[in-house]
Amino acid sequence: NAGVTQTPKFQVLKTGQSMTLQCAQDMNHEYMSWYRQDPGMGLRLIHYSVGAGITDQGEVPNGYNVSRSTTEDFPLRLLSAAPSQTSVYFCASSYRGASNQPQHFGDGTRLSIL
Amino acid sequence: QQQVKQSPQSLIVQKGGISIINCAYENTAFDYFPWYQQFPGKGPALLIAIRPDVSEKKEGRFTISFNKSAKQFSLHIMDSQPGDSATYFCAATNAGGTSYGKLTFGQGTILTVHP
Repeated sequence: NAGVTQTPKFQVLKTGQSMTLQCAQDMNHEYMSWYRQDPGMGLRLIHYSVGAGITDQGEVPNGYNVSRSTTEDFPLRLLSAAPSQTSVYFCASSYRGASNQPQHFGDGTRLSIL
Repeated sequence: QQQVKQSPQSLIVQKGGISIINCAYENTAFDYFPWYQQFPGKGPALLIAIRPDVSEKKEGRFTISFNKSAKQFSLHIMDSQPGDSATYFCAATNAGGTSYGKLTFGQGTILTVHP
């Protein structure tokens, strides 16, 4: 199994450009989420989904959009990139239900906005 | 608002020593407290986790101590090894209902273990 796969691994954008960060998992996990990691701030939840067709906002949702049309995929869209969105983005997935199910993280997308 | 506060920001330990990382939380609805380990260029990976109905959990060289009344928990790494050098994050969540998976992370601790 590949686990959680994120693409691209690196990306440089200009302010105002849009792009989609891809996330796919092959573990049939119901729950998927997006975090951003910034120095000294840990990881902060952007958006999450508890199943296909269901999404909700996390702690820092502004400037980002998500959709969940399939169980496997959970793309994150930057609508109009801003320098404040320079960060490392992580996608995670897990089973719902039992609390002892760990979150499985991808290896991240490193995004720079110029 | 940072609901989980982690300290220290960085930690240097000699091989064989004990590494201790502390976290404090504010939300009394949190009932599941995992620790994640992250190596450079990789995503975080679950290391060990605890629920508040126990005061301590041990897995190999890694131990979580939990103080519910003080709303604090800590990670102890015994006999620290250079391979333990990584960034460690504490986290918390309400494991029930639709909150499960919405992790609130601490700020992270960069651990360096010198040979």
